[in-house]
Amino acid sequence: RKEVEQDPGPFNVPEGATVAFNCTYSNSASQSFFWYRQDCRKEPKLLMSVYSSGNEDGRFTAQLNRASQYISLLIRDSKLSDSATYLCVVNPGYSSASKIIFGSGTRLSIRP
Amino acid sequence: GAVVSQHPSWVICKSGTSVKIECRSLDFQATTMFWYRQFPKQSLMLMATSNEGSKATYEQGVEKDKFLINHASLTLSTLTVTSAHPEDSSFYICSAPDYNEQFFGPGTRLTVL
Repeated sequence: RKEVEQDPGPFNVPEGATVAFNCTYSNSASQSFFWYRQDCRKEPKLLMSVYSSGNEDGRFTAQLNRASQYISLLIRDSKLSDSATYLCVVNPGYSSASKIIFGSGTRLSIRP
Repeated sequence: GAVVSQHPSWVICKSGTSVKIECRSLDFQATTMFWYRQFPKQSLMLMATSNEGSKATYEQGVEKDKFLINHASLTLSTLTVTSAHPEDSSFYICSAPDYNEQFFGPGTRLTVL
């Protein structure tokens, strides 16, 4: 079983739609969770951290369910510019110097 | 946020040559840096953890003699792909942690002919 699993997609949705991604992780002791966005041929960029209480940043909402060991990302009112690969990232350690684990990514394509 | 640079951004080389890639933390110090490789349509795969002043820690399946890592200062780690072959062609990305966030370099696209 992979340490971090994501549905690879691709998700192809119309502009304005709401789309949700899920991610599961195997290490129950994992401490920190993130969603990164990666555009084609670019480096990953942090989209948002994920907290147990859930957090929202504009059109983006992230949630963590420790009991079920999954993380979700919800994108509302999707824009063309949201087209990218979304990476679920888990830090199993207590420090940012711990190696982080990437999911394989979910590709999202927003159509006009 | 913190900035990590990589050099070169792309390189094309002949099979059998060695290629050095630099990763620098520009406005913070990093005792640890990470090197990843990403093949087309795949996710980032951690190759090794670079530790300032000590040996790198390699992930299973990554040949330490082929991918030489040197972390000689708190702001610089280098990855040397020795005797590169076409199958080493990939996108190499480094990252460095600052507080609770990983900052990624822009990546180096290596093409081995």
